[in-house]
Amino acid sequence: SQQGEEDPQALSIQEGENATMNCSYKTSINNLQWYRQNSGRGLVHLILIRSNEREKHSGRLRVTLDTSKKSSSLLITASRAADTASYFCATDAIPFKTIFGAGTRLFVKA
Amino acid sequence: DAGVIQSPRHEVTEMGQEVTLRCKPISGHNSLFWYRQTMMRGLELLIYFNNNVPIDDSGMPEDRFSAKMPNASFSTLKIQPSEPRDSAVYFCASSFGQGIVQFFGPGTRLTVL
Repeated sequence: SQQGEEDPQALSIQEGENATMNCSYKTSINNLQWYRQNSGRGLVHLILIRSNEREKHSGRLRVTLDTSKKSSSLLITASRAADTASYFCATDAIPFKTIFGAGTRLFVKA
Repeated sequence: DAGVIQSPRHEVTEMGQEVTLRCKPISGHNSLFWYRQTMMRGLELLIYFNNNVPIDDSGMPEDRFSAKMPNASFSTLKIQPSEPRDSAVYFCASSFGQGIVQFFGPGTRLTVL
């Protein structure tokens, strides 16, 4: 079974709005990552947050991690049409075995 | 520097045929992963190698699937014989060390008729 479960499954917003995606996982982890996948492409790593961190920023991305609730959120601020993609959380409780969630499909309307 | 290279990008074959997917990891990376992505099952880890050695192939669905990594710059995933339910996008990814941050190739879209 998948370790990470994203919520919502799909999200449609207007350009300029913020997009928030959530991820819940089941077991203790070492790190949590977020990846983006554009249609027809491979996944691209966005950001990694370690289990002892609570918040991390990278450009317009903000990731939070709550290990007590086994959950994470990805916030994309001031979204752009180019942010249209699927976003996956990935956890690695065991070395080498990164487990990806089912993903959130984000559609940003221009 | 080139990213992970996969070939072919698209493969259409008939049931029962042998299919070979190829991957060239990023130079200097010592871990390589094969994934399969479908709408129903999402992204599944099939097998991974570290320093060219297969570490865990528990994700390989059946004996029809096999993977090799003869050297640090090349890996293959073979399906023999192929079946329609093998239709999916197959990704190769590479990383340095324990594979925490992985770099994905563009994928091979396989269709088995």
